[in-house]
Amino acid sequence: DAGVIQSPRHEVTEMGQEVTLRCKPISGHNSLFWYRQTMMRGLELLIYFNNNVPIDDSGMPEDRFSAKMPNASFSTLKIQPSEPRDSAVYFCASSFFPGELFFGEGSRLTVL
Amino acid sequence: GIQVEQSPPDLILQEGANSTLRCNFSDSVNNLQWFHQNPWGQLINLFYIPSGTKQNGRLSATTVATERYSLLYISSSQTTDSGVYFCAVDGYGGSQGNLIFGKGTKLSVKP
Repeated sequence: DAGVIQSPRHEVTEMGQEVTLRCKPISGHNSLFWYRQTMMRGLELLIYFNNNVPIDDSGMPEDRFSAKMPNASFSTLKIQPSEPRDSAVYFCASSFFPGELFFGEGSRLTVL
Repeated sequence: GIQVEQSPPDLILQEGANSTLRCNFSDSVNNLQWFHQNPWGQLINLFYIPSGTKQNGRLSATTVATERYSLLYISSSQTTDSGVYFCAVDGYGGSQGNLIFGKGTKLSVKP
């Protein structure tokens, strides 16, 4: 079985540009999570979806961040406009809630 | 919200040694998981263990929910065990999907 698939793996962009990160969860999983990892703050939950519905977005830093899950096999995390402090590794994870959580390989974002 | 504390923060071992990593949490949980982040950044699920004991090869984990802690045992450590080990919990109260991660234990296994 394919795991959680994220793209792009690496993104370098300039401040002010729009960034879109993509995620395909494991087939059959009903929950999808977006995490951000930085040295300073560790792993932070940004938002999670259950059956494609956003349940808790209290971790989304500000209005510049938005996430969608139009169907069970696809989700996006968008940052517009991007800022240097958004530089981090963004992980997508999925589970058959409340079971084991499986992570994608992450998208490393660098905003110059 | 629920607090998760892991200890020790750093651990250096000689190959072949055994180790115990600890995770303390501040409230009742219905979901506790251990993860390994390897030096390449991949996060791998090791155990889903809200209570009881599980074993997988050289690794085992025990969660004593009533006393609010979990232990991860690594026996006969290998260099490939190096990385950061995270404990994550999801409390009963509030948003049950919010899996809270500890700060991790950074393990270095020397050959």
